Amino acid sequence: AQKVTQAQTEISVVEKEDVTLDCVYETRDTTYYLFWYKQPPSGELVFLIRRNSFDEQNEISGRYSWNFQKSTSSFNFTITASQVVDSAVYFCALSEENAGGTSYGKLTFGQGTILTVHP
Amino acid sequence: DAGVIQSPRHEVTEMGQEVTLRCKPISGHNSLFWYRQTMMRGLELLIYFNNNVPIDDSGMPEDRFSAKMPNASFSTLKIQPSEPRDSAVYFCASSPTGASYEQYFGPGTRLTVT
Repeated sequence: AQKVTQAQTEISVVEKEDVTLDCVYETRDTTYYLFWYKQPPSGELVFLIRRNSFDEQNEISGRYSWNFQKSTSSFNFTITASQVVDSAVYFCALSEENAGGTSYGKLTFGQGTILTVHP
Repeated sequence: DAGVIQSPRHEVTEMGQEVTLRCKPISGHNSLFWYRQTMMRGLELLIYFNNNVPIDDSGMPEDRFSAKMPNASFSTLKIQPSEPRDSAVYFCASSPTGASYEQYFGPGTRLTVT
């Protein structure tokens, strides 16, 4: 069965520090997708990025970057020069292409990491 | 383009009362998901639909919970009777069908059962 583990429950940093959020996943499928979502204090869940299992290229979007390594089943998220507005709960999630049949896009979420960025 | 719409945004009710949460998915999305979020249990998938048909309701905690999707643009999650431990934020999300698509979440309904 699929599983996503975010071992860091809470992280606290000071503004301008770099911070990495860890995500480790388990799956038996060869085709799968990994996601990161952000949940700011206002409560909504915001999609950040999607990667498929065949694309291990790292991705950078502004201050955000993602490191996908199949060898270690990890999909880590780094925020460079963190800002107070980055304070949120961050979720890593997994969906499997096959999932024993037709895939309907069911997501398995990690427990989330609470990131607090202090001024 | 409107996102996923949920109503009400907040609901306060007394134990034993029936509660109905509503969701309008993004037009054209074939899959709809209901989640519950609590501090203790995190984000839990309750049930999901594809083309209005329930696919997996194994996450529904008890028979007190039921969900319907009478058409492509509307879904309800009902709790009858409600209990204090049902207090949580309930999210609805929608997506096109398939593992490669991200889900778009509604703003959530914060339910408090006293």
